[in-house]
Amino acid sequence: EPEVTQTPSHQVTQMGQEVILRCVPISNHLYFYWYRQILGQKVEFLVSFYNNEISEKSEIFDDQFSVERPDGSNFTLKIRSTKLEDSAMYFCACTGLALYNEQFFGPGTRLTVL
Amino acid sequence: DAKTTQPNSMESNEEEPVHLPCNHSTISGTDYIHWYRQLPSQGPEYVIHGLTSNVNNRMASLAIAEDRKSSTLILHRATLRDAAVYYCILRDPRMGAQKLVFGQGTRLTINP
Repeated sequence: EPEVTQTPSHQVTQMGQEVILRCVPISNHLYFYWYRQILGQKVEFLVSFYNNEISEKSEIFDDQFSVERPDGSNFTLKIRSTKLEDSAMYFCACTGLALYNEQFFGPGTRLTVL
Repeated sequence: DAKTTQPNSMESNEEEPVHLPCNHSTISGTDYIHWYRQLPSQGPEYVIHGLTSNVNNRMASLAIAEDRKSSTLILHRATLRDAAVYYCILRDPRMGAQKLVFGQGTRLTINP
């Protein structure tokens, strides 16, 4: 069964450093998402991406965040200057064009900012 | 997004059925009822969805009230692997591939 993969599984970084979280969505899926989950809290939407542009973003997704699909298969989330409060699990998700738009999630990247 | 209400936690025993309730009194006529779950240390995964009729798949059953203001996810024979947080989410397919809005969900504990 096709699956979403994410790398790395765990990233530790110093405050102020840039990080790039990588995702390989299911091939032939067209919509891509990033969500995050701070420890003990609910899953929060960050951004959705379709046709090589952002289709929706949340208030969390400020100028420090960016997304791109550099090569047509990978989907990346970049945080330019990490803050302590960026520590969370980051989940990539994707969906095809099914009517109900079931989303498929990756296993997540745990980001720890020190 | 229309709001859903779920109990914070539930507990059941292995190999017994589990009924997870969800209230969505402000559901609109075009909202589908989706259920996702999140196993420990994993990303959310799709479980089932429905509009009006009850639905069954290999993972679970979804019973939808006649007035659609509530629904129940049924795990027919719970296993330890079903211990997870279960989320009830309303989605309108006319909105396209919209984001999922997660609430706190119901944390299901399965006792051996």
